[in-house]
Amino acid sequence: RKEVEQDPGPFNVPEGATVAFNCTYSNSASQSFFWYRQDCRKEPKLLMSVYSSGNEDGRFTAQLNRASQYISLLIRDSKLSDSATYLCVVNLGTGGFKTIFGAGTRLFVKA
Amino acid sequence: GAVVSQHPSWVICKSGTSVKIECRSLDFQATTMFWYRQFPKQSLMLMATSNEGSKATYEQGVEKDKFLINHASLTLSTLTVTSAHPEDSSFYICSARDEKGAQTEAFFGQGTRLTVV
Repeated sequence: RKEVEQDPGPFNVPEGATVAFNCTYSNSASQSFFWYRQDCRKEPKLLMSVYSSGNEDGRFTAQLNRASQYISLLIRDSKLSDSATYLCVVNLGTGGFKTIFGAGTRLFVKA
Repeated sequence: GAVVSQHPSWVICKSGTSVKIECRSLDFQATTMFWYRQFPKQSLMLMATSNEGSKATYEQGVEKDKFLINHASLTLSTLTVTSAHPEDSSFYICSARDEKGAQTEAFFGQGTRLTVV
């Protein structure tokens, strides 16, 4: 089983749609959680951190459920510029905070 | 915010030659840096963990004699792809965390696109 698993995608949605990404992690020692965005042929960039209390940044909402080891990202009113690959990222709490990436879910937002 | 600089951003080399990629943390110290590889349309795969002043820790299936990692200072890690072959062509990215900062997210270098011909 992969340490971090995401929806395989791709997701093709029209502008204005709401889209949800799901992610599960296997290591209960995981300590911190993030969503990154990666544009084609570029390095990943932090989109937002994920907390058990949930956090919201504009059109983006992230949620963490430690009991079920599940992370989600919700994008509301999607824009063309949201088209990218979204990576679920987990920091393991052992061995120097090793950072593990999910495979990513590609999102295409179309006009 | 924390900045990680990676150099070069792209390189083309001949089969059999070696290529060195540098990763620098510009405004923080990093005892640990990470090296990833990403093939087209695939996810980032962790290759190794670079430890300042000690040997790197390699992930299963990554040849330590082929991918030499040196972390000689708190702000610099290098990855050398030795005797490169076309199948080594990939996007290599380093990352580091500001271990003394409040943030725990990783910051990434710009990546190096290696093409072996």
